[in-house]
Amino acid sequence: EAQVTQNPRYLITVTGKKLTVTCSQNMNHEYMSWYRQDPGLGLRQIYYSMNVEVTDKGDVPEGYKVSRKEKRNFPLILESPSPNQTSLYFCASSLSGTGLFIFGQGTRLTVV
Amino acid sequence: SQQGEEDPQALSIQEGENATMNCSYKTSINNLQWYRQNSGRGLVHLILIRSNEREKHSGRLRVTLDTSKKSSSLLITASRAADTASYFCATSLAAGNKLTFGGGTRVLVKP
Repeated sequence: EAQVTQNPRYLITVTGKKLTVTCSQNMNHEYMSWYRQDPGLGLRQIYYSMNVEVTDKGDVPEGYKVSRKEKRNFPLILESPSPNQTSLYFCASSLSGTGLFIFGQGTRLTVV
Repeated sequence: SQQGEEDPQALSIQEGENATMNCSYKTSINNLQWYRQNSGRGLVHLILIRSNEREKHSGRLRVTLDTSKKSSSLLITASRAADTASYFCATSLAAGNKLTFGGGTRVLVKP
């Protein structure tokens, strides 16, 4: 089944403790991106990747890192999480040129 | 700032009625998409309409696009309780590139 898989689905962590949210897609999509969703602010793009080893900042990249060493994986790294990064995170992928995005099920992160 | 703004922010209707929500955006686009999100869960792609299209149908969904007014509407006909969800429009400036989302419309369909 074609899908985008995020892990973990839920995470509670403490301020400053590095964490990684994984994202994997099985559709050979070139384009992958991360969004965060906050009440009243909708979904905002954090980082995106056009292909392997090609990443760029979205609208709200501060406090986040990404890497794209393989086509299927696009992990989101929070080196030193802070409470303002408490949010619902979504990974998405797309076959370039189609405009059709597949979203993961989301990761609800709480930083205390 | 958000590219898309949706109206209304919330909508409550009876099962069987139609639900209409609107989306306005600011810049020229390649395509506009509508997504559904059940409470706190993932986004499900509903329909994509390209900038050279004016109307598109998918089952009980009808989407219109007016590029001169920079607006789109999503109509759900004969709504069901299972249609209760938040609906988001998202615009893309180029095929395969970044999606910019609106704030969403929360739809409640009462049985």
